[in-house]
Amino acid sequence: EIVLTQSPGTLSLSPGERATLSCRASQSVSSSYLAWYQQQPGQSPRLLIYDASSRATGIPDRFSGSGSGTDFTLTISRLEPEDFAVYYCQQFGSSTWPFGQGTKVEIK
Amino acid sequence: EVQLLESGGGLVQPGGSLRLSCVASGFTFSSFAMGWVRQAPGKGLEWVSAISAGSGSIYYADSVKGRFTISRDNSKNTLFLQMNSLRVEDTAVYHCAKALRGGAMIAVGGLDYWGQGSLVTVSS
Repeated sequence: EIVLTQSPGTLSLSPGERATLSCRASQSVSSSYLAWYQQQPGQSPRLLIYDASSRATGIPDRFSGSGSGTDFTLTISRLEPEDFAVYYCQQFGSSTWPFGQGTKVEIK
Repeated sequence: EVQLLESGGGLVQPGGSLRLSCVASGFTFSSFAMGWVRQAPGKGLEWVSAISAGSGSIYYADSVKGRFTISRDNSKNTLFLQMNSLRVEDTAVYHCAKALRGGAMIAVGGLDYWGQGSLVTVSS
């Protein structure tokens, strides 16, 4: 069973700065099978990126995904006030769909 | 507009049972895999279970295998989660979610619509 490890646990940045979030899989993952989500407090998660690098409908282009194999990255090019939230990666495997433990992006 | 509406949560004693339902609208329910994801208070997302469009493939997290059963009724656009032998650690908000793409479970791409969730509290 694949385990996803996200780092860092918390990222403290200022609006306008660049955020780089990591998601590492315990074994190689097909790029087509990795997604990223954003969750605001008290809300349901929102799909940001699918297939490792494709933006979901309505997602601003400041969000981008990259990576392959075991290392994947979500980048927010310039943080807007509404981007401070918790971010999760998820892998779609042959028998499980696990999430990473999340990265909180907080205002510095 | 896609909508997912969960129900069936509540307070139950350890060892008890609950059945969650998720009524879907706004899309062709029978064409998409569906999943259940839970979130314990103050914790991260935990994937619980998934079912293919035609119910031919079913997945469970190890933490619920043998205790929870996922099913769906495509004629009623409804997803279910039967939860037995509930434990204190099953306390969470349970969300149902829709797969982004139809087809094979491994290739769904992501979960693009989520319900608001149903709170399950397991406590004596």
